[in-house]
Formats: sequence, structure tokens, C-alpha cells
Amino acid sequence: GAVVSQHPSWVICKSGTSVKIECRSLDFQATTMFWYRQFPKQSLMLMATSNEGSKATYEQGVEKDKFLINHASLTLSTLTVTSAHPEDSSFYICSARVAGAPYNEQFFGPGTRLTVL
Amino acid sequence: GENVEQHPSTLSVQEGDSAVIKCTYSDSASNYFPWYKQELGKGPQLIIDIRSNVGEKKDQRIAVTLNKTAKHFSLHITETQPEDSAVYFCAARPSGNTPLVFGKGTRLSVIA
Repeated sequence: GAVVSQHPSWVICKSGTSVKIECRSLDFQATTMFWYRQFPKQSLMLMATSNEGSKATYEQGVEKDKFLINHASLTLSTLTVTSAHPEDSSFYICSARVAGAPYNEQFFGPGTRLTVL
Repeated sequence: GENVEQHPSTLSVQEGDSAVIKCTYSDSASNYFPWYKQELGKGPQLIIDIRSNVGEKKDQRIAVTLNKTAKHFSLHITETQPEDSAVYFCAARPSGNTPLVFGKGTRLSVIA
């Protein structure tokens, strides 16, 4: 149980285009999902917290107009990188919190590697 | 806010030996401490967690200890195997519905 999927697993795009990444909780409901960014050999950097049916809460320094997050259902959240530039190239990982679990366990997706040319 | 420090940043052990990774946290209200294993090119995988009302938890070769007074917790891996080689992250959750705060990670290498 507690499986989180991400799609696509990798994507290459041209500068100026937009890329959408999907995150799904496959066998549980997730009222809260998180989006992280990870640079090589570094820890996970929280970008935003997404609650189903409401606007995402972005961490300081993360541009909400550039990284659009939608959490339309209890099993799906999307991250859209708008007008991507090479500096947006990174490993993006989503995480879902198990709704109703006593300590709100958090499970991660496999990540999406974005390369912007 | 919560701050999590993790040591060491890299660790090399011989196959069969034990590995210990230590983390400290700053917020005494934190009540949940998970450990994640991340293999190259993959997302973090939850391997064990401990709640603040427990001092120790074990799952086969993996154990976690928590010292609330000192605000530190540790991951112990016994009888290490090459497939244990990965980056391990500790995390802490402050009370309430707040996100996990992660340590910077430990790169474990198990040498056959």
C-alpha cells in the first residue's frame, strides 16, 4: 500500500515551453501533497504544500506564477513549470500524506527529471 | 522553525559491519521522525519511522532510537549489504499539520 506515482519519469523540453508533471496516490487518499525539488547530491527542498480543493502554499522564494500547482482531487496533484528555462532543470519529487493516519505518514513518488534545453 | 542536522554526510563501511547515522532536531514539539532511503535517480522510500512516545523501534536489520531529552535520533543498520548503499535522509515533523523538515542526507557506501 501507500504507492505514489509520478508521470512522466523524465522530460526534455525547449526553453520557453511549459511542462506538466502529474502526481497520483494510487491506493490511498491524500488530502495534502507536497512538491519538492532536488539538485544533485543535495537534500530535498520543499517548494509548496498542496491541499485538495484549495490554493497551494508556496515556500519563500518559490515563484507561484512559474510553478503552478493544482490539487483537484484526493488522488491527483499537478505541477506545471511555465516558460521553462535551463535553470529549472532539476529532479522534481512529489509526496503524499496519508489522510487520517495517526502521524500523517508521508510517501514519495519516484521523481521526474526535467531537462530544459 | 524546526532545524534538522544530520551526520555524517558520507559513510563507508565494510559489508557485514554496522552503520549508524545520527540526527538532531531543534523543536521539542516535533513528534514524528521518519527515515528515508533514496537510491540514485529514484524518489525517497520510507524505511522506518518512530513516534515521540517510543524510544526505540526495530525492523529486521534496521533500528531507530529516539532521545527526546537530548533531541536526537539515530538510524542503525546491522549486517550491512551492498544493496544498502544509498543516500539516507532523516526528517522531523513539528507538531500540527506541518511539512517534514529534512536533514541534508548521508551517502552510505557498503564495500563488498
